[in-house]
Amino acid sequence: DGGITQSPKYLFRKEGQNVTLSCEQNLNHDAMYWYRQDPGQGLRLIYYSQIVNDFQKGDIAEGYSVSREKKESFPLTVTSAQKNPTAFYLCASSPGTGPDTQYFGPGTRLTVL
Amino acid sequence: KQEVTQIPAALSVPEGENLVLNCSFTDSAIYNLQWFRQDPGKGLTSLLLIQSSQREQTSGRLNASLDKSSGRSTLYIAASQPGDSATYLCAVEKGNDYKLSFGAGTTVTVRA
Repeated sequence: DGGITQSPKYLFRKEGQNVTLSCEQNLNHDAMYWYRQDPGQGLRLIYYSQIVNDFQKGDIAEGYSVSREKKESFPLTVTSAQKNPTAFYLCASSPGTGPDTQYFGPGTRLTVL
Repeated sequence: KQEVTQIPAALSVPEGENLVLNCSFTDSAIYNLQWFRQDPGKGLTSLLLIQSSQREQTSGRLNASLDKSSGRSTLYIAASQPGDSATYLCAVEKGNDYKLSFGAGTTVTVRA
């Protein structure tokens, strides 16, 4: 099956710890994205990557880091510098050429204890 | 900065009624506008994409219109069903850079 997978579905973190969220796609898409969703708010863009080995900051990149070493993988690290990391994190991908929709994974819910 | 607003935040209708969901955006220089559906605790599913040169798109019981000059889009869902209960989000892409600005969504409940 083609699609986007995110793991884990639920993640708990103690304050001061770094955690890494996984995002994998087998759609052969060039572009990948990370969003954060808080209750009652729209999705906010954290980082995006249009091609392997390149990525750009979105609107709320502080306290997060990413890598794009392979086309199919775009992991997100939530660092201890992120002051309020409890949220629902969504990964997406798109072909990267012309107008096309973004395809979303099932999400990871991160809770800081 | 592009601001996207969706009103109302929540809507409850009896089964069979037509749904009208509104989306407004502050910068009319958009590349496209998309409507997504999100079920509780799940990711987003694309419903319709309207390019800036288009006025509307249709898929089954769904119809979305776009008025760039007034900064508005409307999603119509005909003959609503309980399975249509979900949160509907609109998103606009300003330029050809694949970055989307999202509204907060309208949560729809269709009562059987």
